[in-house]
Amino acid sequence: EDQVTQSPEALRLQEGESSSLNCSYTVSGLRGLFWYRQDPGKGPEFLFTLYSAGEEKEKERLKATLTKKESFLHITAPKPEDSATYLCAVGGSQGNLIFGKGTKLSVKP
Amino acid sequence: GAVVSQHPSRVICKSGTSVKIECRSLDFQATTMFWYRQFPKQSLMLMATSNEGSKATYEQGVEKDKFLINHASLTLSTLTVTSAHPEDSSFYICSARTVDKNIQYFGAGTRLSVL
Repeated sequence: EDQVTQSPEALRLQEGESSSLNCSYTVSGLRGLFWYRQDPGKGPEFLFTLYSAGEEKEKERLKATLTKKESFLHITAPKPEDSATYLCAVGGSQGNLIFGKGTKLSVKP
Repeated sequence: GAVVSQHPSRVICKSGTSVKIECRSLDFQATTMFWYRQFPKQSLMLMATSNEGSKATYEQGVEKDKFLINHASLTLSTLTVTSAHPEDSSFYICSARTVDKNIQYFGAGTRLSVL
């Protein structure tokens, strides 16, 4: 059974304090690893998709990396506006997404 | 990025009434749309997969007669919660998948409160 596990559940950082979020997955065949950002009361906002081990993508202060068993979302010098829940998902065999429970990030000024 | 519009954003209704939620892909065609449900502090749980011109595929445990899905065009899917009850109160989110990049873009969600 395809499964996605995210850690930590919650992360509190000071502004400027870099860190990483982890997403471990087990799938029968990887059909993409997706990162989304979700603000309270909103739908997820697409950030990145990765398809093969070794692939990396960057957007502003965020960088996503992928290995055969996990993905990391690195946040460099975060700002308060980066506070949100970050969701990781893998592509399912039916074209759906299988989500982890998310990491709630809080960045204090 | 692609834009998905979802309406209404919030609805409050009495028990026993039906509620329709619309999901539109504004700048791309989506042969497949998805409907999710999210409980507080939980992740998204897939309810059903909606394919244009065919019957929706429901996940195990989701009542297809209660959650009616229609995907009549390449840009519109609707979810109707029939005879809503308080336990149906939740956050419902739709997504539309692009054909070229196989990426799902999400609507802003609908907060349903059944009194």
